[in-house]
Amino acid sequence: AQSVAQPEDQVNVAEGNPLTVKCTYSVSGNPYLFWYVQYPNRGLQFLLKYITGDNLVKGSYGFEAEFNKSQTSFHLKKPSALVSDSALYFCAVRAPYSSASKIIFGSGTRLSIRP
Amino acid sequence: DAGVIQSPRHEVTEMGQEVTLRCKPISGHNSLFWYRQTMMRGLELLIYFNNNVPIDDSGMPEDRFSAKMPNASFSTLKIQPSEPRDSAVYFCASSLVDRNEKLFFGSGTQLSVL
Repeated sequence: AQSVAQPEDQVNVAEGNPLTVKCTYSVSGNPYLFWYVQYPNRGLQFLLKYITGDNLVKGSYGFEAEFNKSQTSFHLKKPSALVSDSALYFCAVRAPYSSASKIIFGSGTRLSIRP
Repeated sequence: DAGVIQSPRHEVTEMGQEVTLRCKPISGHNSLFWYRQTMMRGLELLIYFNNNVPIDDSGMPEDRFSAKMPNASFSTLKIQPSEPRDSAVYFCASSLVDRNEKLFFGSGTQLSVL
């Protein structure tokens, strides 16, 4: 069975500092991996995805994520945090060749950027 | 494009009443998902449609929940009768299904059952 874990409920970072939001997964075969962001009173918004190819994936708003197969991780990163990055971030995984309904979301990590 | 449109944004009802949530997916998308978000359980998939046909409803919690998609531009999620534990934010999402699809979410319906 596939699963995804976000070990940190909350991450606090000072503006201008680099940020990392952690995600690990468990799935048979090569995974499809996603990051979504949720701002207050809004639906989830796609940030980036990894399907195949370069392990470093670049997405919206300056975010990037690194796929590490040996550590089964897909951490979200940004070199310099902005206060406007404060939001709830979800990692998601789907096994290859499975139904689209099998996209599993993590529990979410609240990112707080202090000025 | 207006994105995925959900209505109402907020719904407050009393236990035992029928609740109907509505969703208009993005034009041209052929898959539609209903999710429920709570603090305790996070984001849960309730049901998934492909080309208006329900494909996976294993996440529908009870027979009190039902979902329909009569055409490509409209879906409903109905709870009858509603209970306080149904209080949550309900999201509709749509996508164009391929092996790499990403989901587009609506703004959600905040349901409170008193």
